[in-house]
Amino acid sequence: NAGVMQNPRHLVRRRGQEARLRCSPMKGHSHVYWYRQLPEEGLKFMVYLQKENIIDESGMPKERFSAEFPKEGPSILRIQQVVRGDSAAYFCASSPSQEIRTDTQYFGPGTRLTVL
Amino acid sequence: GENVEQHPSTLSVQEGDSAVIKCTYSDSASNYFPWYKQELGKRPQLIIDIRSNVGEKKDQRIAVTLNKTAKHFSLHITETQPEDSAVYFCAACIKAAGNKLTFGGGTRVLVKP
Repeated sequence: NAGVMQNPRHLVRRRGQEARLRCSPMKGHSHVYWYRQLPEEGLKFMVYLQKENIIDESGMPKERFSAEFPKEGPSILRIQQVVRGDSAAYFCASSPSQEIRTDTQYFGPGTRLTVL
Repeated sequence: GENVEQHPSTLSVQEGDSAVIKCTYSDSASNYFPWYKQELGKRPQLIIDIRSNVGEKKDQRIAVTLNKTAKHFSLHITETQPEDSAVYFCAACIKAAGNKLTFGGGTRVLVKP
């Protein structure tokens, strides 16, 4: 019973490069959320997706950041032209599809992005 | 939008004592309140949650209370053990508004043996 999977676990990019972070939800979960955690800080919501749909992207920066959750395959958070301020841990969470449990979120191990 | 305040930011307790962490939220529409434990370099781990239709929930040494009128909720850990040392985060969610969790700033708990 695999939990939420994320890869890569660590990612190093130089300023101006692109970062692609992947998330596979738990089996039976069709809701995916991305959160960002800066060092020594709490988690900040970025985006909420269901298969092929962005439900809430109110926490996403307007530029350079995008997310998708295709019909097949993992959810992807994409950061274009990375800057040093993008260095953070990016966590994905998923929640069950059953209506009464859609708010219960389980987190993956995170991707730690370092921008040089 | 929702705002969650969490206190204290650090908490040091002697092994065997109790630890209490308090959170307040701003949006009265919030109806789901989970607590997560995060060890250094690890994922946030859901330890207990409570929904707005109950006032208290307990799971072994951990309990959570919710006061909807005052808009605050608390985590209680009894008989603390060194392995309880971690950062604890509270969160609030309005399920009908899309499930996004708004987190408190975290409490670093140190249990001294």
